[in-house]
Amino acid sequence: DGGITQSPKYLFRKEGQNVTLSCEQNLNHDAMYWYRQDPGQGLRLIYYSQIVNDFQKGDIAEGYSVSREKKESFPLTVTSAQKNPTAFYLCASSIDPVKTGGDYEQYFGPGTRLTVT
Amino acid sequence: KQEVTQIPAALSVPEGENLVLNCSFTDSAIYNLQWFRQDPGKGLTSLLLIQSSQREQTSGRLNASLDKSSGRSTLYIAASQPGDSATYLCAVNNFNKFYFGSGTKLNVKP
Repeated sequence: DGGITQSPKYLFRKEGQNVTLSCEQNLNHDAMYWYRQDPGQGLRLIYYSQIVNDFQKGDIAEGYSVSREKKESFPLTVTSAQKNPTAFYLCASSIDPVKTGGDYEQYFGPGTRLTVT
Repeated sequence: KQEVTQIPAALSVPEGENLVLNCSFTDSAIYNLQWFRQDPGKGLTSLLLIQSSQREQTSGRLNASLDKSSGRSTLYIAASQPGDSATYLCAVNNFNKFYFGSGTKLNVKP
């Protein structure tokens, strides 16, 4: 089955610790995205990557870091510098926006709920 | 910066009613608009995608319309069922970024 997997589903960490969230896709998509969702709010873009070894900051990148060493994988690290890390994190992928002239849709994983105490 | 608003924030209806969810956006230079469904604690499931050149798109009991010039989209759900209870989000595509509304939480009562 093609799709996006995120692990773990739930993650608990102490304040001051870095934590890495996993995102893997087997859809052969070029582009991958990380979003954060807070209760009652829409999704906000943290980072996105359109090609391996390249990524761009989204609207709320401070306190987060990413890597894109493989096409299938786009892990997100929540660092201790992120002031309010407790949230629901969603990973998405799509075909390359440039190849479609901007007309594409995003596919989402099941999410990881991070709680930092 | 693109701003996306969804009204109402929450809606409770009896089973069988037809209903309309609204989405408005401030920048009409979009490539497409996507409607999603989100169940509690889950990821997003794509319902419909409307390209910027289209006026509407249909899938089963769902119909989405797009008026790009006025910055509006509506999601029409016919003959609502309890299984339709979820949060519905719209997202507009400004080339390499999607901007999301905060969603409409729908409760369909049996």
